[in-house]
Amino acid sequence: EPEVTQTPSHQVTQMGQEVILRCVPISNHLYFYWYRQILGQKVEFLVSFYNNEISEKSEIFDDQFSVERPDGSNFTLKIRSTKLEDSAMYFCASRQGVGNEQFFGPGTRLTVL
Amino acid sequence: KNEVEQSPQNLTAQEGEFITINCSYSVGISALHWLQQHPGGGIVSLFMLSSGKKKHGRLIATINIQEKHSSLHITASHPRDSAVYICAPLRGGADGLTFGKGTHLIIQP
Repeated sequence: EPEVTQTPSHQVTQMGQEVILRCVPISNHLYFYWYRQILGQKVEFLVSFYNNEISEKSEIFDDQFSVERPDGSNFTLKIRSTKLEDSAMYFCASRQGVGNEQFFGPGTRLTVL
Repeated sequence: KNEVEQSPQNLTAQEGEFITINCSYSVGISALHWLQQHPGGGIVSLFMLSSGKKKHGRLIATINIQEKHSSLHITASHPRDSAVYICAPLRGGADGLTFGKGTHLIIQP
């Protein structure tokens, strides 16, 4: 069964460094999402992406964040200068169309030291 | 102000019991997801529904769009059902999901 994959599973970085989290959505899906979950808190929406542009972004998704679909398969989240408070689990999700459910990747745990 | 309220926040029950988790939301939505998150962190979609009722195995989800309320039921609960169950409404279009805080469910043998 097709699934969303994410790499790496765990990323440790120093404060101020740039990180890129990678996701491979399900191949025929058209809508892509990033969410994050700080330890012990609820999952929060970051950004949605459709037709090679951002559809919606939350207040969390400031200028330090960017997303890209560099080729036909990958969907990336870049954090330019990481802060301690960026430490969280980051989930990628995708769905085929507007009326379809979202499928989630296993997550990348980001630890900023 | 929380847009999504789930109850109960924590629930411990005995194996075999009928479980109900409730979700109320304050925004207009086009659909609602029920999700399951295990201690390892992964999120699995259980249901997406926009009206009425859906059933998968021992899981049943209902939604009343007018009353802005949804419920998730588990029949004949089993210890492997122990997880966090999350209600996540979808406002529409390409919008992302708004997540509830989740219900921590423990089923004891």
